Amino acid sequence: AQSVSQHNHHVILSEAASLELGCNYSYGGTVNLFWYVQYPGQHLQLLLKYFSGDPLVKGIKGFEAEFIKSKFSFNLRKPSVQWSDTAEYFCAADTGGFKTIFGAGTRLFVKA
Amino acid sequence: EAQVTQNPRYLITVTGKKLTVTCSQNMNHEYMSWYRQDPGLGLRQIYYSMNVEVTDKGDVPEGYKVSRKEKRNFPLILESPSPNQTSLYFCASSLGAGLSGANVLTFGAGSRLTVL
Repeated sequence: AQSVSQHNHHVILSEAASLELGCNYSYGGTVNLFWYVQYPGQHLQLLLKYFSGDPLVKGIKGFEAEFIKSKFSFNLRKPSVQWSDTAEYFCAADTGGFKTIFGAGTRLFVKA
Repeated sequence: EAQVTQNPRYLITVTGKKLTVTCSQNMNHEYMSWYRQDPGLGLRQIYYSMNVEVTDKGDVPEGYKVSRKEKRNFPLILESPSPNQTSLYFCASSLGAGLSGANVLTFGAGSRLTVL
């Protein structure tokens, strides 16, 4: 069965620290990959997406993610986090069908 | 403003009392879906709909029903709620499915349901 695994459930960083959140998916075929973010009290919203082409994708607010097909990974990165990046981050995958599968989420807390 | 609207946002009910959570989108999206979010489990899909009158089960459909009589609406029905259905529910929609990129989901604000 298809699944998405996020390595860290809780991450605490100080402002200006670098961020990398791990995500692995299990599916051998063509896949669409997403990172969604849920800021406190707000809707889930798209951070970035990968469909094809350049495996390094850039999203909003300075986030980027790299698709590594050989590792089935789609890790999220940001060189320098801010207090306002405190949120829950969800990795998600779909295979072009009608099901988007989400990981368990990573709660990021950035200390000011 | 393009959006997905859910109601109610908060609800406390008792075991066995039927309830409906409404979901409406104003983007003419074909695809709609319901998820529940539980700590440590992420979002799990309950039901989805590819278009009017076309629905299918997701990963956790037990205890839920849905209908899609109009393109814009996709209500979630709990016929006989139980405490294990206490959760945060999200409705989402997208243009459609496929590898073209059309399946970026737009989410509603969430409905927090407590079943006593």
